[in-house]
Parts: sequence; structure tokens; C-alpha cells
Amino acid sequence: KQEVTQIPAALSVPEGENLVLNCSFTDSAIYNLQWFRQDPGKGLTSLLLIQSSQREQTSGRLNASLDKSSGRSTLYIAASQPGDSATYLCAVGRGGANNLFFGTGTRLTVIP
Amino acid sequence: DTAVSQTPKYLVTQMGNDKSIKCEQNLGHDTMYWYKQDSKKFLKIMFSYNNKELIINETVPNRFSPKSPDKAHLNLHINSLELGDSAVYFCASSALDRAGGYTFGSGTRLTVV
Repeated sequence: KQEVTQIPAALSVPEGENLVLNCSFTDSAIYNLQWFRQDPGKGLTSLLLIQSSQREQTSGRLNASLDKSSGRSTLYIAASQPGDSATYLCAVGRGGANNLFFGTGTRLTVIP
Repeated sequence: DTAVSQTPKYLVTQMGNDKSIKCEQNLGHDTMYWYKQDSKKFLKIMFSYNNKELIINETVPNRFSPKSPDKAHLNLHINSLELGDSAVYFCASSALDRAGGYTFGSGTRLTVV
């Protein structure tokens, strides 16, 4: 059974800092890994998708890495802004199963 | 707008009632899903469905049933609602090969009183 863990559960940083969010998963036979952002009371916005054959993806100030062998992914946010405040969710797509397994999320607060 | 859209956004109902949540996607995706986000904000798969196969998470009560009139729609029917069904329900879709990842709707907050 795939279990996805995100550390830390909550993070508070001053504006402008670079930060790293961590995601670990127990079954390395993944199909892909997707990072989402969820604002309070809102839906999920896809940030980055990494296929199992890839090691990283970048979009603007965001960079996500994937190390399948160690069961880890990181989301790097450069030069954080107050607008980055949200809950960040890591989700793993497992081979042979068509659904995502979600982590418990990291709630990020960027202080102006 | 290309998207996954759900209605209603909010649903308040009494215990014992039967209700439905509608979901539509115009992304041309083959597979649709329903996820439940509980009070601790944890998201868990309920169903995945394409035109060939319905996969049900074994922990989902049989009071919940998905109905798909066509490839672009997957509605969620809930019978005999219970207090514990209160949660946010998210619809999602993906291509059959999942190459583009998953797209989620904005959620339906169900409150059972």
C-alpha cells in the first residue's frame, strides 16, 4: 500500500526566503508525482507534474525534484512571496492503479 | 474555459436524505474520479471510472454510487446521508495514459445536519 508523507506539516517564513517542502512515499513503483496547491476553501491547482522517468521539473520560481529509488520528492520555492501562502500537496500516481495517493500537506505561510 | 466543473459548490442537507453532486469535464479526458477530503484535509480516492472500468475504493459505503451518462460526466449519488458524510468532495479527470496529470474541480462542501 502506498503511503505518502509530507514534512513539515506547517512552515512559516519571511518574504523573500527560499524554501523546500519535502514529500516521501513508501512504494517506489510510481507512475508520476504531482504537486498541487490548495488555497483555503478552494480546489486544487496543479503546480508541477513529474513523470517517473524524469528527475525534475521547473515552472517559474518552482522546482520539483524526484528520486524514485529513495522514495522522495522536494518542492523548492525561490524568493517566496505572501501570495505563495497556501497548503501544498504532494500526490503520487502508482503504476497499475489509476488514482492518486495524497500526502497530508504542508501549510505554508509567507510573512510580509 | 477548459476545466473540471462541479455543482453545487455548497450543499447542506438533513440526515437520511438522498443527494447528488454533478461533475463535468471538457478536457477530453478518458478517466474521471471522485475524491473525499475529510476534516483533517486528507484527500482519499473514492472512485475512478472510464468507459471500460469502475474501480471502487473498498472503504466507500455502498450508499455512494457514481453515475456516468457519458465520458464527460461523472455524477456522485449519495443515499441515506449520515453526519459522517460531511466533507468536501472533489471531482477530477485525467487522460487514460495520465501523461498530463490530473485536473481537479473546485470541490463541493457537503454538510449533513
